[in-house]
Amino acid sequence: DIQLTQSPSFLSASVGDRVTITCRASQGISSYLAWYQQKPGKAPKLLIYAASTLQSGVPSRFSGSGSGTEFTLTISSLQPEDFATYYCQQLNSYPITFGQGTRLEIK
Amino acid sequence: QVQLVESGGGVVQPGGSLRLSCAASGFTFSSYGMHWVRQAPGKGLEWVAFIRYDGSNKYYADSVKGRFTISRDNSKNTLYLQMNSLRAEDTAVYYCAKEAAAGPWALDYWGQGTLVTVSS
Repeated sequence: DIQLTQSPSFLSASVGDRVTITCRASQGISSYLAWYQQKPGKAPKLLIYAASTLQSGVPSRFSGSGSGTEFTLTISSLQPEDFATYYCQQLNSYPITFGQGTRLEIK
Repeated sequence: QVQLVESGGGVVQPGGSLRLSCAASGFTFSSYGMHWVRQAPGKGLEWVAFIRYDGSNKYYADSVKGRFTISRDNSKNTLYLQMNSLRAEDTAVYYCAKEAAAGPWALDYWGQGTLVTVSS
């Protein structure tokens, strides 16, 4: 199975900050990586697919990059509504796996 | 608009069975693969199972293989998850999710989830 490791697991930041979350895969997954945002008590929301393609309706301050084994999610200028937990997911092969999550909190 | 509505969750004893349903609307259900994903209380997301648009292929997480069965009825726009031999560690919110319109690269719509509690 492909393991995904996110770093950091916890991130404290302020409104307006630029933040980057990293997702590393235990083996190459090409660009078959997605990013999701989840708020407490809610279902996950798709942000980025195919490593760098912004899902329709998602603000352009979110961006993704990477291929192979290393990927990043960047939020260029944090807004109050961005404080949530973020997950990466690989869809290169079954079983599909998620990273352990990165909890982004207000400093 | 796309809607996915799960039902069938509840409290069940260890070793028991439960069948979850996911009613889909707002898109051509028979054209998309569908997933089940779960989240144990206070934990991260765990992918559970996938079924192709026509039901021809199914894939499962190792943790549920042999105990859970994913299926679909395209005439009823409904996805199912039959869960047998339930264990305490199966306690979670179960989400159904749709394969992305852009391709099998992501899950673009999710239901609100249904809670399954396995406890004596």
